[in-house]
Order: sequence, then C-alpha cells, then structure tokens
Amino acid sequence: GAGVSQSPSNKVTEKGKDVELRCDPISGHTALYWYRQSLGQGLEFLIYFQGNSAPDKSGLPSDRFSAERTGGSVSTLTIQRTQQEDSAVYLCASSSGQPSYEQYFGPGTRLTVT
Amino acid sequence: GENVEQHPSTLSVQEGDSAVIKCTYSDSASNYFPWYKQELGKRPQLIIDIRSNVGEKKDQRIAVTLNKTAKHFSLHITETQPEDSAVYFCAASIPNAGNMLTFGGGTRLMVKP
Repeated sequence: GAGVSQSPSNKVTEKGKDVELRCDPISGHTALYWYRQSLGQGLEFLIYFQGNSAPDKSGLPSDRFSAERTGGSVSTLTIQRTQQEDSAVYLCASSSGQPSYEQYFGPGTRLTVT
Repeated sequence: GENVEQHPSTLSVQEGDSAVIKCTYSDSASNYFPWYKQELGKRPQLIIDIRSNVGEKKDQRIAVTLNKTAKHFSLHITETQPEDSAVYFCAASIPNAGNMLTFGGGTRLMVKP
C-alpha cells in the first residue's frame, strides 16, 4: 500500500515568512510524529499525535512551531516567522500504535530559509 | 528525558568484513530499540528492531543485541556489501510515553569494494 507522503518536497522561503508542511500518514495509522533533521545530524522529535488525544508538543523548539491533525489523518506543521536556524529536513512518521511500535517515515520536506 | 549515544560516528570497512555499531541509552524504562538506515537524500528505513524482552534478534546478515543491565545495544552487519554504505541511526523509545523515538547521532558506514 501507499507509504507516508509529504509535501512539498522542497521549500525555500525568506526569513520572517510563515510556512506550512503537510504529512499524509499510512491509512489506518493512528499515531503520527514529526521530527527534524538538521544537515548531517540525527533526528530530533518535535510533536506526536495519537488518535483524538491532545498532542504531545514537548519537542517543539519554540512557540513559532505548531501542528495540527485534522480528522485523525493528515497533519500540517506550521512554522511562523521562519529563521535561518529552522533550515532542516522535516520528517513525518506514522505508526499503527501499540502493540506495534514500528514507525515508518515519509520522504521529508527540505526547508531552506534564506 | 532519554539520551542515546552512538559510536562510532564514521566506520569504514572492506567489503566482506563485519561492521558493528554501538549505542547506549540513559532511561531504563525504554523498551523498544529500532535501527534505521538512511541513504543519501532518502528517508530513514527501518531495518531491524528489538524489544526489551529479548536479548538478540537476527535477520539474514543483520543482527541486533541488547544488554538491558548495561543499557546498551548494538547492530552487527556481516559480509558487508557496497550497498550497505549509508548512515545508520539507533533509537530508543519509552512505552506509555507516546513511543516517540530518541535517536543517536548516526554512524556513516562506508564499505569499500
């Protein structure tokens, strides 16, 4: 079946502008995660959604970052007033939830803030 | 929170040799330990995982071992091939805490033909 998809694949924006990144999880997966990968670095957890529960926002680096998940499926990560340090690859992953822990990643969105 | 350390950061081996990557974690409540392979410009791909109720798991040329007492786990690749060249990430997650993954810093594996 279809895997996790993300759009856009690349986004170049000017410092101070807002951006929206989209994630379509695997159909039926109840858990959705956003991670950030800076150049040559590991992955950093940002936010987690499970079903209709309140999201776990503990990894968001600042209040400029927010995310929502509509209808328990598609998710949008929004970064307001972008800064150059926001430049990274933003990866989304989904999981069917317990007892399966496996997370499957999307191709990512490469964000460049100029 | 959880902290995962990964070593080495780079590893170069000759084709056919074995490669070992090691990770340590800090939170004894962690019970799920996946390994991801990431080729240049591609998404991380899950290659093997282990849960805390077993000490070793093997899948063809890949194996993972877990020592819960010492809080470390390792990836073993035997008979390496050039297509094994990639960045490998270990991770750990805690149940009942969303299962969000805490990743190690990655190991760049280069297999020389």
